[in-house]
Amino acid sequence: GENVEQHPSTLSVQEGDSAVIKCTYSDSASNYFPWYKQELGKGPQLIIDIRSNVGEKKDQRIAVTLNKTAKHFSLHITETQPEDSAVYFCAASFNDMRFGAGTRLTVKP
Amino acid sequence: DTGVSQNPRHKITKRGQNVTFRCDPISEHNRLYWYRQTLGQGPEFLTYFQNEAQLEKSRLLSDRFSAERPKGSFSTLEIQRTEQGDSAMYLCASSFEGVGKTQYFGPGTRLLVL
Repeated sequence: GENVEQHPSTLSVQEGDSAVIKCTYSDSASNYFPWYKQELGKGPQLIIDIRSNVGEKKDQRIAVTLNKTAKHFSLHITETQPEDSAVYFCAASFNDMRFGAGTRLTVKP
Repeated sequence: DTGVSQNPRHKITKRGQNVTFRCDPISEHNRLYWYRQTLGQGPEFLTYFQNEAQLEKSRLLSDRFSAERPKGSFSTLEIQRTEQGDSAMYLCASSFEGVGKTQYFGPGTRLLVL
C-alpha cells in the first residue's frame, strides 16, 4: 500500500519568511496530492491540491510542486503570517488516501 | 453551513462501555470516510462508504468497530467494549465518487476512554 513520509516534523520561521514542507510517496499509481491545514481542536482543512498531470500549482501565497519521477511533492508558503501557524499534512491518493505524519509550523511575529 | 458535521464533538467514557458517533456529510457527496487520528499523527483510514455500501475496511478496524450508512446519507461509527487505546480523534470526510476526488473533513469527535 501507499506510504507517505513528511519532513520536517516541526518548523519555526519568522513572520515574512518562507516555509517549505516536503513529502515523498511510494505508490507510483497515486495521482492526487492534497495538502491540509489543521488547527487545534479542528478537522483538517484543504488548502491546496495538485494532480499528477501538472508539476506546479499556486494560490496566492501557497504553492505546491510535484515531481512524479522522484515521487516527491512540496508545499511552499511565502510571506508567512502568525495565522499560518498550524499542523500541515500532505496526502497521496489513488483510490484511498494516505497521510503524512504532519508538520507543526510556528510563525513567530 | 453545509459542510461535514459530526456529533458529539467530545465523548468521555469508561473502559468497556459502547459509544456511537454520527457523521452528516455534504449532501451532494456519495462517498463518506472514517479516519482515526492520534496525537502527533496524520489521519489513518478506517473505512469508507459509497452510498450505503461499505466498500473498504482497514485492518485497523477491529471487530469491536462497526460503521453503517443505512440510507446513504448520515453514517454512524460504533465502538463496542471500548479500550483505553481507542482514545483518539475520529474524523469523518465526504467526497464525490471517483479517483482523486477531494475529501472534505468534519471537525471530528474526540474520544477519551478512562
